[in-house]
Amino acid sequence: KNEVEQSPQNLTAQEGEFITINCSYSVGISALHWLQQHPGGGIVSLFMLSSGKKKHGRLIATINIQEKHSSLHITASHPRDSAVYICAVRPNTGNQFYFGTGTSLTVIP
Amino acid sequence: ETGVTQTPRHLVMGMTNKKSLKCEQHLGHNAMYWYKQSAKKPLELMFVYSLEERVENNSVPSRFSPECPNSSHLFLHLHTLQPEDSALYLCASSPQRLAEQFFGPGTRLTVL
Repeated sequence: KNEVEQSPQNLTAQEGEFITINCSYSVGISALHWLQQHPGGGIVSLFMLSSGKKKHGRLIATINIQEKHSSLHITASHPRDSAVYICAVRPNTGNQFYFGTGTSLTVIP
Repeated sequence: ETGVTQTPRHLVMGMTNKKSLKCEQHLGHNAMYWYKQSAKKPLELMFVYSLEERVENNSVPSRFSPECPNSSHLFLHLHTLQPEDSALYLCASSPQRLAEQFFGPGTRLTVL
């Protein structure tokens, strides 16, 4: 069983919709990392957070450490947001990040 | 050039070939990583280098051999690979180990 679970696995939305992607994890962590992977493979770091909320443009990431849960929100979604969104956690003990399998998002014009 | 670059972007090799993947980071980071990404699986950490010293080897078969000649360059030498080694190989760097990571575009490897 993976320490990091993401939902949904696949998501299709109409342009303009508000999107939420969820990440749950089973271990105590010191930080959580949201990443975006476009077709072709390249991965872009979106956020790294350990508490509260971070916002960058139309993207918002929240984390609840006690509930072991994080969400990534996209407001006013656009076809260029189509990508795989990956959650990774940095456990309190250990020496590496653990990654989810990703949420594949398709935004239709 | 900025960020993290990887060459080649695509590689097809036979099981008896020897090839190398190259990664270069222009961010002044001290840690570099090799990851393997197979279809429908999470990223798998292969190797970590911190200040040019290998600090992590996640039970990777010896047919994969990393090399870090300096803090900006990382290589992955490949020899006698198996078809199941076909995957996307991603390089990443971070200011220090376990900090926010920045990824290269990846090398899509196919082993015939």
